[in-house]
Amino acid sequence: ETGVTQTPRHLVMGMTNKKSLKCEQHLGHNAMYWYKQSAKKPLELMFVYSLEERVENNSVPSRFSPECPNSSHLFLHLHTLQPEDSALYLCASSRDPTSSYEQYFGPGTRLTVT
Amino acid sequence: AQSVAQPEDQVNVAEGNPLTVKCTYSVSGNPYLFWYVQYPNRGLQFLLKYITGDNLVKGSYGFEAEFNKSQTSFHLKKPSALVSDSALYFCAVRDILAGAGSYQLTFGKGTKLSVIP
Repeated sequence: ETGVTQTPRHLVMGMTNKKSLKCEQHLGHNAMYWYKQSAKKPLELMFVYSLEERVENNSVPSRFSPECPNSSHLFLHLHTLQPEDSALYLCASSRDPTSSYEQYFGPGTRLTVT
Repeated sequence: AQSVAQPEDQVNVAEGNPLTVKCTYSVSGNPYLFWYVQYPNRGLQFLLKYITGDNLVKGSYGFEAEFNKSQTSFHLKKPSALVSDSALYFCAVRDILAGAGSYQLTFGKGTKLSVIP
């Protein structure tokens, strides 16, 4: 898991707070992803970046705002979240977003919204 | 459209016995298929993938999977289970025909594997 790192690993925030999740990949990949993992549900793809350009936004509420300043770093800015947003947020990277390359995942940030 | 199903929420197997975790898929064209494993408090870890060629794919930690086009299945197997194999397993699919504009890798809900000592 040293290929993709995420900070913080755990985050508790109130509904009026603003916080950011950070992801960094050390694999030289061109694509980065944010996923939401909730109990008993399939992984939900939130955002895809390819060469620092957002190429997919899966109808995610505007209270989630991604940022990709370079190909190695990805952020997820959070504001005015709801309790149902509590989940494990996973970052991933791959060599290319459209082909057969597998994705490499970070350990995730466990988010609790109170 | 692409979809994947893991029909079993949980699989229990005795240590040393063979294990199978089932996966079926649906795509318009031909699939890219993947298996991932997730240990507690960890991210998903890539195990193996089928792209083309030999229907039997070998991956990490002694796992293998067999692509069966007629049954649209990609079951994960291991000849002899270890207690350390206990984890959550995810199957995922991408439709080759989806083309350059599609970035979606569709995951199943996951199957919890418990290997009993």
